[in-house]
Amino acid sequence: NAGVTQTPKFQVLKTGQSMTLQCAQDMNHEYMSWYRQDPGMGLRLIHYSVGAGITDQGEVPNGYNVSRSTTEDFPLRLLSAAPSQTSVYFCASSPAGPLRGYTFGSGTRLTVV
Amino acid sequence: DAKTTQPNSMESNEEEPVHLPCNHSTISGTDYIHWYRQLPSQGPEYVIHGLTSNVNNRMASLAIAEDRKSSTLILHRATLRDAAVYYCILRDVRDDKIIFGKGTRLHILP
Repeated sequence: NAGVTQTPKFQVLKTGQSMTLQCAQDMNHEYMSWYRQDPGMGLRLIHYSVGAGITDQGEVPNGYNVSRSTTEDFPLRLLSAAPSQTSVYFCASSPAGPLRGYTFGSGTRLTVV
Repeated sequence: DAKTTQPNSMESNEEEPVHLPCNHSTISGTDYIHWYRQLPSQGPEYVIHGLTSNVNNRMASLAIAEDRKSSTLILHRATLRDAAVYYCILRDVRDDKIIFGKGTRLHILP
């Protein structure tokens, strides 16, 4: 059972560079979300999706883009990296409805210098 | 999103029960109570959820007050591996996302 797979696990970017964090799930879950977690802080929701072709903004969407062309994949794009985007990024997925919990990936640790 | 209030941190001794409280005085009738925990250097993991009745699973028990304005996550016999941040979250039946608060950092003393 692969669950939620995030790649890469670690990444260092220079200010102004762009990159895509990958997230894939093999559980046929409808819902997918991206969070960021700064050191010593809680998780903040960046973007989420309730199905292929549907995305919406979370609490801190600025500087990030997402798309959901398939049920399995939900990539997060950083358009022009800034030091303030240094964080650990978590992807999560869930079946539709409130009766099941979200499954989280192991995270991508991103440093922007 | 409805708000929850949890203590910043708690301590417990190994092999003893732990009761983690959560207040949610503005809970609505369509809110489910979810608990997650985050072990050090890992992503969060789902623990348990409930609506009105107490719930048990292999990880923990969830006790919900009769007026639903508070709940308690119960770890029956804490181990060192239970040291984590525990998050109490309200999730509306119509909602498709979860918003995390600050949670309770649980320290287990050997």
